[in-house]
Amino acid sequence: AQKVTQAQTEISVVEKEDVTLDCVYETRDTTYYLFWYKQPPSGELVFLIRRNSFDEQNEISGRYSWNFQKSTSSFNFTITASQVVDSAVYFCALSEGSSGGSNYKLTFGKGTLLTVNP
Amino acid sequence: DAGVIQSPRHEVTEMGQEVTLRCKPISGHDYLFWYRQTMMRGLELLIYFNNNVPIDDSGMPEDRFSAKMPNASFSTLKIQPSEPRDSAVYFCASSPPPSGRANEQFFGPGTRLTVL
Repeated sequence: AQKVTQAQTEISVVEKEDVTLDCVYETRDTTYYLFWYKQPPSGELVFLIRRNSFDEQNEISGRYSWNFQKSTSSFNFTITASQVVDSAVYFCALSEGSSGGSNYKLTFGKGTLLTVNP
Repeated sequence: DAGVIQSPRHEVTEMGQEVTLRCKPISGHDYLFWYRQTMMRGLELLIYFNNNVPIDDSGMPEDRFSAKMPNASFSTLKIQPSEPRDSAVYFCASSPPPSGRANEQFFGPGTRLTVL
């Protein structure tokens, strides 16, 4: 069975600090997809990134970067120079692949509440 | 392009009443998902459809819950009878056909359900 663990329940930083959100996953499949979603105080879920299991390249998008390491089953998310608007709950999620196609079931971690203080 | 649309945004009802939540997926998306979010259990997948056909309903908590997708642009999640423990935020999400963007799910704003 697939599982996603976000060990950090809450993180509080001061604006302009860098912060890393941890995500560890478990799966028996060799093909799978990893995701990060952001849930701001308004409540909607905003897609941030998708990564498939065959692509271990790290990705950078503006102040956001993601570090995917299959050896440690981790997909960590770093925000550089954090801003107050980054305050939200961040969810890591996993979708297992299957032969002949993709399994669309997303398993979410419990989320990490990030508070960025001015 | 409009995102996933859910209605109502908020619903307050009394225990025992029937509740119907509605969802309109993004046009062209052929996967539709219903999730429930609570403090205790986090985000849980209840059911998902592909081309209007239910594929996996193993997350539906009990027979009081039912979901339908009569056409490609509309789905409902019904709870009958509702109970206080059903209070949660219910999200609908849709996903495009298998492609380079496979598995990317786009979420609606959610329906906050309170059962008194």
